[in-house]
Amino acid sequence: EDQVTQSPEALRLQEGESSSLNCSYTVSGLRGLFWYRQDPGKGPEFLFTLYSAGEEKEKERLKATLTKKESFLHITAPKPEDSATYLCAVQGAQKLVFGQGTRLTINP
Amino acid sequence: GAVVSQHPSRVICKSGTSVKIECRSLDFQATTMFWYRQFPKQSLMLMATSNEGSKATYEQGVEKDKFLINHASLTLSTLTVTSAHPEDSSFYICSARWGLRGELFFGEGSRLTVL
Repeated sequence: EDQVTQSPEALRLQEGESSSLNCSYTVSGLRGLFWYRQDPGKGPEFLFTLYSAGEEKEKERLKATLTKKESFLHITAPKPEDSATYLCAVQGAQKLVFGQGTRLTINP
Repeated sequence: GAVVSQHPSRVICKSGTSVKIECRSLDFQATTMFWYRQFPKQSLMLMATSNEGSKATYEQGVEKDKFLINHASLTLSTLTVTSAHPEDSSFYICSARWGLRGELFFGEGSRLTVL
C-alpha cells in the first residue's frame, strides 16, 4: 500500500531561520511527488512536482528535492508570510496519496 | 496555471436538508474532477472521482447515495450532500488535473456546517 509520512508535524521558526521539511514515501511506480501549500480555510496551492530522483525545483525561498525514498522542502530565510501547512503527495499507479502535512509557523 | 473555482465557500444548513457544492474549471476542460474531504488538522481524503458523462467512482466507505456527484459538462462538477447531518460538517475541496503532466489543482474549498 502506498504511504506518505511527513515530519515534523509542526515546526516553529524565527524569521530568517532556514530549515527543511521531510516527506518519506513508499509507492509502487512513482509517477510524481507533489508539494502543496495550504492556508487555513483554503484549498491547497500547487508548489512543485518532482518526477525522478535527483530532481530539484525552486520557487522564491522554497526548494524541493527528491530521492528514491524521500523528498525535502527546504525553506531559506523564511518570512512570516511563509507560515502555512505544507502538504506532500505521491502519485503511484493507483491514486494520489497525501501526507498529514507539516504546520509551519514563522515568528517575526 | 490552471484555475479551479468552488462555490459556495461557506454554507450553513439545518440537519436533514440537502446542500449542493459546485466545482468549475475556469480556463480549461476537465473530463475528470476529484472531490476530497478534510477534517480539522487532518490531511485530504479522496471521496470520489467525478467523470464527465458517466457515473462517479466512489472510494471505499463513502456513501454514494449520500454524496451525489454530477459531472454534466467538461467544466462543472457538483457534489450534493443529501439529508445532511452534523457529522457531515467538514471542509470539501474539489480538484482537477491540468497540463501535459496532469498536475492536480485545487479549488478554494467549501466549509459545510450542519446544525
